[in-house]
Amino acid sequence: EPEVTQTPSHQVTQMGQEVILRCVPISNHLYFYWYRQILGQKVEFLVSFYNNEISEKSEIFDDQFSVERPDGSNFTLKIRSTKLEDSAMYFCATLILAGVSSYNEQFFGPGTRLTVL
Amino acid sequence: ILNVEQSPQSLHVQEGDSTNFTCSFPSSNFYALHWYRWETAKSPEALFVMTLNGDEKKKGRISATLNTKEGYSYLYIKGSQPEDSATYLCAFGHGSGNTGKLIFGQGTTLQVKP
Repeated sequence: EPEVTQTPSHQVTQMGQEVILRCVPISNHLYFYWYRQILGQKVEFLVSFYNNEISEKSEIFDDQFSVERPDGSNFTLKIRSTKLEDSAMYFCATLILAGVSSYNEQFFGPGTRLTVL
Repeated sequence: ILNVEQSPQSLHVQEGDSTNFTCSFPSSNFYALHWYRWETAKSPEALFVMTLNGDEKKKGRISATLNTKEGYSYLYIKGSQPEDSATYLCAFGHGSGNTGKLIFGQGTTLQVKP
C-alpha cells in the first residue's frame, strides 16, 4: 500500500542552525500539510500547500519557516534558524482530492523527531 | 479558538475488556471528524472519517459514533487485544471544504495487558 515517507527519522541540531525536513508524498496526491507535536502537547497544524503555493498557515509558521516542492516529488519544510522551542515531532500529511461523494483523508508520514540543543 | 478535547488521557485495561473514549469538538462549522490510531515510531493510521450527524462506522472490533449537534464522538473497542495498544487521536476537519487543516485532541493512550 502506498505510504508517505519522511527523512530523516531523527535530526539533532544546534540552536541557530538551519534544518530541512523532507517528505515524499503518495504519488498523485495534490495537497500537502505539515503538523508538529511538541512533547506532551497536541498535534498542531503548521501549513497546507497546494498547486505550489501555501493555502493556509498557522501563527506558528512565521518567517523562520518555509515550504517548497522543489522537484515535483519531495515536499520540504525548512526552518532557517532553529530555536529550542522548535524541538518537536514533525509530521507530513498528504491528500488526494477524491470525488464529490467521498471525504478526503489525510495520510500521515511517520514523522521526523527534531531535537534542538 | 477551536478546541478538541479527548478523555480519558490514558487507559489501562485487561485483554478482553471492552472500552470507549470520548472526543468533544465545536458543534458549529462542523465539517468532518477523524479518528486516527498512532503507534510509536509509526505513521498515524486513519481509522474513520465521519461527516454526518448520527454516523456510525465500524472496522472489525472498533466502531465510532458521531453527534454533531452536541459536538462529541465515541470510539469503542470491543474485546481489547494487546495489539490495540496505541494512542487514539481524534481530529476536527476545519476550513476550506474537505481539504482544510485538522485540529487534534490530545489523544487517549490505551494500554492492553495480556
